[in-house]
Amino acid sequence: NAGVTQTPKFRILKIGQSMTLQCAQDMNHNYMYWYRQDPGMGLKLIYYSVGAGITDKGEVPNGYNVSRSTTEDFPLRLELAAPSQTSVYFCASSYQGQGVNNEQFFGPGTRLTVL
Amino acid sequence: EDQVTQSPEALRLQEGESSSLNCSYTVSGLRGLFWYRQDPGKGPEFLFTLYSAGEEKEKERLKATLTKKESFLHITAPKPEDSATYLCAVQGRGSQGNLIFGKGTKLSVKP
Repeated sequence: NAGVTQTPKFRILKIGQSMTLQCAQDMNHNYMYWYRQDPGMGLKLIYYSVGAGITDKGEVPNGYNVSRSTTEDFPLRLELAAPSQTSVYFCASSYQGQGVNNEQFFGPGTRLTVL
Repeated sequence: EDQVTQSPEALRLQEGESSSLNCSYTVSGLRGLFWYRQDPGKGPEFLFTLYSAGEEKEKERLKATLTKKESFLHITAPKPEDSATYLCAVQGRGSQGNLIFGKGTKLSVKP
């Protein structure tokens, strides 16, 4: 089991460029999440998905888009990169949303810098 | 509004010096309190889930406890390899699984 994998590990973007952060899990988890972590701050939820074809906004969704066409993959799209999107992005997954087996497992992260 | 506050922000211990990390929370209908460990440049690593007041869980030198307002992560006789940032998160009623995280406690254990 590879768990949750993310690519790329690092990326530098220019203002206005677009990119897709990739996330995949091989644990057959229903729920997947995208968080961002800024220095000295707690992780903030960007988007989440409760299953293939179903996504919803989290606390900080502006400037991002997601899709979930398969159980395994949950890419995050940045359309017009802004310096405020400089952050470390973590993808996570869990088998359940609430109750037993609701613990989330995180990927290694993507460090994004927008200049 | 669901909220998590962790203290202290940073903690320096000598090897073998036991201590506790605090996580105070406000949540509408607790559905789980989670502890994670995060090493520099890595993703959070799951440690424990606690579901109800009075519950305790242990793993090696770590023991997590839960009351109706806070959780403690007790570290007994820490070793340098326990150095990391420890994150606390809560999940409330009505959430679809998303967690509210605290800012973390950075633990340094000196030999």
